[in-house]
Amino acid sequence: GAGVSQSPSNKVTEKGKDVELRCDPISGHTALYWYRQSLGQGLEFLIYFQGNSAPDKSGLPSDRFSAERTGGSVSTLTIQRTQQEDSAVYLCASSLEGRRVHGYTFGSGTRLTVV
Amino acid sequence: EDQVTQSPEALRLQEGESSSLNCSYTVSGLRGLFWYRQDPGKGPEFLFTLYSAGEEKEKERLKATLTKKESFLHITAPKPEDSATYLCAVQARGAQKLVFGQGTRLTINP
Repeated sequence: GAGVSQSPSNKVTEKGKDVELRCDPISGHTALYWYRQSLGQGLEFLIYFQGNSAPDKSGLPSDRFSAERTGGSVSTLTIQRTQQEDSAVYLCASSLEGRRVHGYTFGSGTRLTVV
Repeated sequence: EDQVTQSPEALRLQEGESSSLNCSYTVSGLRGLFWYRQDPGKGPEFLFTLYSAGEEKEKERLKATLTKKESFLHITAPKPEDSATYLCAVQARGAQKLVFGQGTRLTINP
C-alpha cells in the first residue's frame, strides 16, 4: 500500500481484557517496528522484525506483551490482561533494510485507553 | 546507554522569525541521526537522516546539521504550517532500534 496502515485507530478496553493491534506495512519493506508513545514521554521501542530472522523483543515491557509477523507482512501486537499503565499510542513503522540506514515510515497509530 | 536530549521543550515564534532546535546525543558509534515531524494525532513523518559530522541537509525552510555531539534543526522564515512537534532520534552501529528524544513542540503564530 501507499503507507503504513494501523487498525483500529482508537481502542477503549476494560482493565484485564486482552487487545490486538494490527499493522500493515508498506509493501516490500522488510523491517517492521512497534513503538509506544505515552503522554509526555518520548517514543519507546517495543519490538523489531526483519525478514525471517528472530525478532528483537528486548523492548517489550512485560510478558503480557507479544507480537507476531505473518508471511513477512502484517503484524499483530497483543497485550494480555491490560492495565491502566498500558494506555498509550502504539505506533508501527516499516523500512527498507540495507547498507545505509533508511528513515522509518510510521503509521498513524492506535490510541489505546484502558479504563 | 544511548541517549537523546532535545531543547527547548517548547518554542513559540512569530511567522518569519528564524530559530534553531537542538538535539544533543550520546551513542556508542553513530549509524544515523534522524529528524521527524509529528502533527497531533498522527505518526511521525520522516524529514532527514544525517550520517556523519559536518553533514547538512535541507528541505524547504528546514536545514539539519550534525556535529559529533549534537544536531541542529534550523528553521528559516517559518510559516504557521510549520507548527508541529519535531523529534530527533539516533541509531547506534549494530543496533536496529531508534532512540528518540522527547521532542520540541514548535508553534508559529501568524
